[in-house]
Amino acid sequence: DTEVTQTPKHLVMGMTNKKSLKCEQHMGHRAMYWYKQKAKKPPELMFVYSYEKLSINESVPSRFSPECPNSSLLNLHLHALQPEDSALYLCASSPSILAGGSAGELFFGEGSRLTVL
Amino acid sequence: GNSVTQMEGPVTLSEEAFLTINCTYTATGYPSLFWYVQYPGEGLQLLLKATKADDKGSNKGFEATYRKETTSFHLEKGSVQVSDSAVYFCALTPYGGATNKLIFGTGTLLAVQP
Repeated sequence: DTEVTQTPKHLVMGMTNKKSLKCEQHMGHRAMYWYKQKAKKPPELMFVYSYEKLSINESVPSRFSPECPNSSLLNLHLHALQPEDSALYLCASSPSILAGGSAGELFFGEGSRLTVL
Repeated sequence: GNSVTQMEGPVTLSEEAFLTINCTYTATGYPSLFWYVQYPGEGLQLLLKATKADDKGSNKGFEATYRKETTSFHLEKGSVQVSDSAVYFCALTPYGGATNKLIFGTGTLLAVQP
């Protein structure tokens, strides 16, 4: 199983709503990532988890709250978002966070397309 | 700092044409270099990689050679198909970096017409 599964595929929410994006992998990977991708742009790193602990937060606003309940699951909790937060949110995983033989080899999910009204 | 520069798109080709997408990088030491592909409506997939100078990465008929002297990692394919239509991202991870952090180029849209 070499898949990263993200749900939901599409989400529409108002600025006062609370919602969550979910990501799951069963490859035994110990690093998981959230990326944000705007149209016609490259993905931008948001958060990195290593062994279920937050390792990198790229100065993301607190209205985005990540959570890693176990080594297979990664959530992104959304609250009080702005219309400019509308984007494709990509989850990825890799065997390890450390540079090494498989450095840079990330497995991406298909993404959750978020629209904030 | 570390950065990746890709040729502007879109690149429009006829089926069976030869493809080159240029990529150059700025980095200290010996970064690892990657090409990722994003098909319409999907996430990114690793297409190929190279970890040291003169390495050639290859997959699905695509090739790229790590050229340290020109700091380049150009993507090539001898005969493109309609199914190759996608956005292609060149990327690097810095040498000796403490974390597995990808730095992406801006992406190049390839459209192959039958």
